[in-house]
Amino acid sequence: KAGVTQTPRYLIKTRGQQVTLSCSPISGHRSVSWYQQTPGQGLQFLFEYFSETQRNKGNFPGRFSGRQFSNSRSEMNVSTLELGDSALYLCASSLAGGAWNEQYFGPGTRLTVT
Amino acid sequence: SQKIEQNSEALNIQEGKTATLTCNYTNYSPAYLQWYRQDPGRGPVFLLLIRENEKEKRKERLKVTFDTTLKQSLFHITASQPADSATYLCALGPENAGNMLTFGGGTRLMVKP
Repeated sequence: KAGVTQTPRYLIKTRGQQVTLSCSPISGHRSVSWYQQTPGQGLQFLFEYFSETQRNKGNFPGRFSGRQFSNSRSEMNVSTLELGDSALYLCASSLAGGAWNEQYFGPGTRLTVT
Repeated sequence: SQKIEQNSEALNIQEGKTATLTCNYTNYSPAYLQWYRQDPGRGPVFLLLIRENEKEKRKERLKVTFDTTLKQSLFHITASQPADSATYLCALGPENAGNMLTFGGGTRLMVKP
């Protein structure tokens, strides 16, 4: 079974630009969550999608948004990039909703904002 | 505010010994606690989950305890090996918040041969 895939793996953008990151969950998984990981703040929850609906949202500004498609694939978008948005963005999928489910993480997208 | 603390200093132990990592939390009532392993440049990998009504969980050389009174979880790796060297993260999840996990900062474990 293929794991969670994320594209692109690396990205360099300039302040003020916008970026779209993609995540393909494990086949059959309906829940996709996004996390931001930085050395200073660690892993922080961005949002979770389940059956194309955003179910939970973390404490991030509205510049961060996402969506999920009918095939469970998900994208997240960051508009008006700031230097502080440089981070590893991780996507995780799980079979269903609920914190009792183990999450399978992808390799992440390393975003650098200059 | 909710806070999850893991020892930010690296834990160095000798091969064959038992590694014990700590996860403390405040202002939180988690229903579940999960432990993950993360290697440099890679996403976290799920290891173990323990529910609030469970005291202990084991999987091969791994053991997790969960004390909701002390608000603490301990993660043990017995007979540690150099291949166990990685960063270990604890994550807490409330009962009715989907897959929204709150992660600790992680503890780096170094097992020396």
